[in-house]
This record gives sequence, structure tokens and C-alpha cells, in this order.
Amino acid sequence: GAVVSQHPSRVICKSGTSVKIECRSLDFQATTMFWYRQFPKQSLMLMATSNEGSKATYEQGVEKDKFLINHASLTLSTLTVTSAHPEDSSFYICSARDRPGQNTEAFFGQGTRLTVV
Amino acid sequence: GDSVTQMEGPVTLSEEAFLTINCTYTATGYPSLFWYVQYPGEGLQLLLKATKADDKGSNKGFEATYRKETTSFHLEKGSVQVSDSAVYFCALSQAGTALIFGKGTTLSVSS
Repeated sequence: GAVVSQHPSRVICKSGTSVKIECRSLDFQATTMFWYRQFPKQSLMLMATSNEGSKATYEQGVEKDKFLINHASLTLSTLTVTSAHPEDSSFYICSARDRPGQNTEAFFGQGTRLTVV
Repeated sequence: GDSVTQMEGPVTLSEEAFLTINCTYTATGYPSLFWYVQYPGEGLQLLLKATKADDKGSNKGFEATYRKETTSFHLEKGSVQVSDSAVYFCALSQAGTALIFGKGTTLSVSS
């Protein structure tokens, strides 16, 4: 199947700093990528839909100025957590489909464990 | 809006036991349904899917049938192994939008 690579897998940062997470589709072009956040022992919550060449669409309650998403190419989307605080500590996962349509499989990155100290 | 509800875990079984993880959904239209599995420290992997009513998805001994009349997509396996220990997520998708996930069910299988 298609491969989605996410980097870094684990990051620790100081409160007030910014962290960038990269999501790459390695063997396909993804016009749309999705960013999720997973709290311990809870489900994946969709944060935003990233569209190549245009602004991301954020879910209700997600601060767009805090979670900056850039989808500059068909194979790369980035999520930047700005001015991170301990409550931003979480597991962030990106996803992409290699083809459009609701029946197609979504491929997931390995996830990024962010810890803000 | 659309939603997925799956049984609370954790589910603890002995090896070779029968597994059922219940999943029901609420959706307008005709979504596609998925089961994803997350092994410790890893990302999500597609386990199986079904795209229309009465479809049965199957993989690695796991099965789930798309039941429109009961809006359900229960996951079953006849004989679980220790290696099946993971978190299982039921999900739905409509019109190419992002997946909507249930809360996940942790399965722990002991030998």
C-alpha cells in the first residue's frame, strides 16, 4: 500500500517554543491530507483538512493561529504548533488518501508524540 | 452530524477465544465503513472495510458485515492470538471527507 511518512516521531520542547511536524506521501500525490490529534485512551479527533495550494479547513474549536498548517506541495503538509504549552502535549497523526472518494483507504503516518515541558 | 460508537474496553481474552467488538454508526446517506488497528507505538493500519450494505470485509481472520438495518459494523474473529493485542478503531467516511472514528477499543490477549 501507499506510504505516509511523518517526522519527527517524538519531540520534546519547552513551553513557548514552536514545533513543526512534517507529513509526506512517499509514493503518491495527495491533494488532501488530514491532521488528527489523539488524547490518551481516546479517539482520533480531526483537527483540520489540509488542501494543496490553499488554506486549511479547521474543525470547530481548533485554533488556526496556534496550529498552522501548510500544504505547499502534493507530497508534503506541515503542522506547526506555535507557542506550545503543556496542554498541547498529545499524539498528532496525519493521513492521506492516494485516490479521491469515500471508499478508498486512508493511509496514516506513524504519528508524532509531542511533549511540552 | 455523523458519529461512530464502539464498545468500551478494555477487552481481555485468552488465546483462541472468540472476539466481538461492537460498532454502530449514525450517518446521513451511505457511508463507507472501516476498521483500523493501532499496535503499541505505531500508527493506524487499515484492517478491513465495507462500502455498501451487506458487504463483508475480511482480513487476517477478522470479519465485519455492513448492516444498514441495524447501522452496525461489528468486528469478529473466531480465534484470537496474543499478536492481536492492539487498539481497534471503527470509522466511517462519506464523500471523500476525513474519517470519523469511534473512541477505540483496547484488546488484550493472554496466552
